[in-house]
Amino acid sequence: ETGVTQTPRHLVMGMTNKKSLKCEQHLGHNAMYWYKQSAKKPLELMFVYNFKEQTENNSVPSRFSPECPNSSHLFLHLHTLQPEDSALYLCASSQVVQSNTEAFFGQGTRLTVV
Amino acid sequence: DQQVKQNSPSLSVQEGRISILNCDYTNSMFDYFLWYKKYPAEGPTFLISISSIKDKNEDGRFTVFLNKSAKHLSLHIVPSQPGDSAVYFCAASHFGNEKLTFGTGTRLTIIP
Repeated sequence: ETGVTQTPRHLVMGMTNKKSLKCEQHLGHNAMYWYKQSAKKPLELMFVYNFKEQTENNSVPSRFSPECPNSSHLFLHLHTLQPEDSALYLCASSQVVQSNTEAFFGQGTRLTVV
Repeated sequence: DQQVKQNSPSLSVQEGRISILNCDYTNSMFDYFLWYKKYPAEGPTFLISISSIKDKNEDGRFTVFLNKSAKHLSLHIVPSQPGDSAVYFCAASHFGNEKLTFGTGTRLTIIP
């Protein structure tokens, strides 16, 4: 089983739908992240959870709603999305310690909003 | 304002030669730098990192160089292999902040 698992891998949803993306990490890390990757743009950090507490929300529209029930699971709830929200959504985790460390990514969910 | 920049969107290199990918940053608070590699339909995977107290870090075929005065880092791959064909992202963070700031990526193609 890979370190960070995301489901589903692909999702097509209408603008009036409600769906959720799921992320699970098996690495014992204490921080989890949602990133958005759009074409020809840098990976954009959306949300950070550190020890289950949200520590960062990068001005993300309220139609994206994160949930972190425990340090191993992270959700991204989606509702009334727009076509421009179509992108690859990546979950990552890391162990936040005194020194810097790398983040481990899941394979992503390719989201298409129609 | 893009704090981490990869100005070359693509690079083609002959197999066996050296690949050099470049990255510039503007935030002088950054003190930890990473390179990630990404294949299509997969998430980025960590490749190599360097702390600002060093100017070079080597791991097998991969070497990262850091020039703090120029706010520039580069990734050298030698010899380049076909399996190295991927998109490479540069990322940076600073001590005490777990957030990574990414560049836009460089697509590396190794020509057999």
